Amino acid sequence: GQSLEQPSEVTAVEGAIVQINCTYQTSGFYGLSWYQQHDGGAPTFLSYNALDGLEETGRFSSFLSRSDSYGYLLLQELQMKDSASYFCAAFYNTNAGKSTFGDGTTLTVKP
Amino acid sequence: NAGVTQTPKFQVLKTGQSMTLQCAQDMNHEYMSWYRQDPGMGLRLIHYSVGAGITDQGEVPNGYNVSRSTTEDFPLRLLSAAPSQTSVYFCATHDPLAYEQYFGPGTRLTVT
Repeated sequence: GQSLEQPSEVTAVEGAIVQINCTYQTSGFYGLSWYQQHDGGAPTFLSYNALDGLEETGRFSSFLSRSDSYGYLLLQELQMKDSASYFCAAFYNTNAGKSTFGDGTTLTVKP
Repeated sequence: NAGVTQTPKFQVLKTGQSMTLQCAQDMNHEYMSWYRQDPGMGLRLIHYSVGAGITDQGEVPNGYNVSRSTTEDFPLRLLSAAPSQTSVYFCATHDPLAYEQYFGPGTRLTVT
């Protein structure tokens, strides 16, 4: 199957920068998305990369390297409210209606 | 606009019972999906649809049926509930020209 790997937990302090990596299987890969999910809530979209390089959206940026089959989410100027789970999700071009999610990274931001 | 709505929010079933989880969207998106999320895990795709009358299986389709008679609605039917189907179920939509998925608030299902 098409699986994605990301670290299970990351801890950082307020104001710091944290990077969450995601590796994916290459066959049929089309693009990579990132989602944030707070406890008890629904996932919300953060960013999408179809091409190599960096996409910046405020304090959050996402990067993709197709040659390395990996991407990352970069969170800057961490705030307590950023404590949440972060998921990468890949679209495979066999059918753009279908995506596969990683198991998520739990980010804990400490004072 | 309500976006994506799901009913019910919570449900308790006994083993062997059947029920339908409802999902509706007012975003006019062609693509809709059903996911389940077990505690501490990611989202696993159950079924998805790329338009009215078209559905296909995801990673974990067994025990579930779907239909898509309109663009707006995508119900998920549990045929004979089992404790292994205890989970949180999310419905999502997206436009085929974009890759941002919009999720409903989820249905928390417990099967005893």
